[in-house]
Amino acid sequence: DAKTTQPTSMDCAEGRAANLPCNHSTISGNEYVYWYRQIHSQGPQYIIHGLKNNETNEMASLIITEDRKSSTLILPHATLRDTAVYYCIAIQGAQKLVFGQGTRLTINP
Amino acid sequence: NAGVTQTPKFQVLKTGQSMTLQCAQDMNHNSMYWYRQDPGMGLRLIYYSASEGTTDKGEVPNGYNVSRLNKREFSLRLESAAPSQTSVYFCASSEVVGLFYEQYFGPGTRLTVT
Repeated sequence: DAKTTQPTSMDCAEGRAANLPCNHSTISGNEYVYWYRQIHSQGPQYIIHGLKNNETNEMASLIITEDRKSSTLILPHATLRDTAVYYCIAIQGAQKLVFGQGTRLTINP
Repeated sequence: NAGVTQTPKFQVLKTGQSMTLQCAQDMNHNSMYWYRQDPGMGLRLIYYSASEGTTDKGEVPNGYNVSRLNKREFSLRLESAAPSQTSVYFCASSEVVGLFYEQYFGPGTRLTVT
């Protein structure tokens, strides 16, 4: 499983796009990039995943670089409810998720 | 649809006591998991069950046992609790679609061992 590196914390103004980077330079060809988030002390919540193409769903967009060594999660119009810890995970299959310390995102009014 | 439920929500144990954490899911998922989360840390996998009747160790299995009672239920047992097991315990379930697993998490059990 590829090691991922994320900033410890980030701030974003409410209504602006939040761009959360993740470095996974050792990712192999069959490993997916997953994003989960954890609000307060609740259980983590799946956001999005991708292999090599950019992906978008109702929650977020995932931009993966062409060499797959890094990715960015984009929350297009951040709200206060998006304040959470965001985890980037690079793994094959994802049956056994490995969570790092993630990025603590704070949305400011 | 309750999703993944866990009982109890909170528990305080004395060192050496035993207890079982219960988890149930109503999504008909094959796979279930137990994680622990220590303060300020990410989640770590304790045990998982890929399907009914099978269990496998995760990253931190020592001091724990699990039982996959049926497809719905997956319990975690602490035989002799230690202060180092003070943590928040999360249960999760998932179903595979191709190579993709989306894990659904329960609300957690907050355990303190004194």
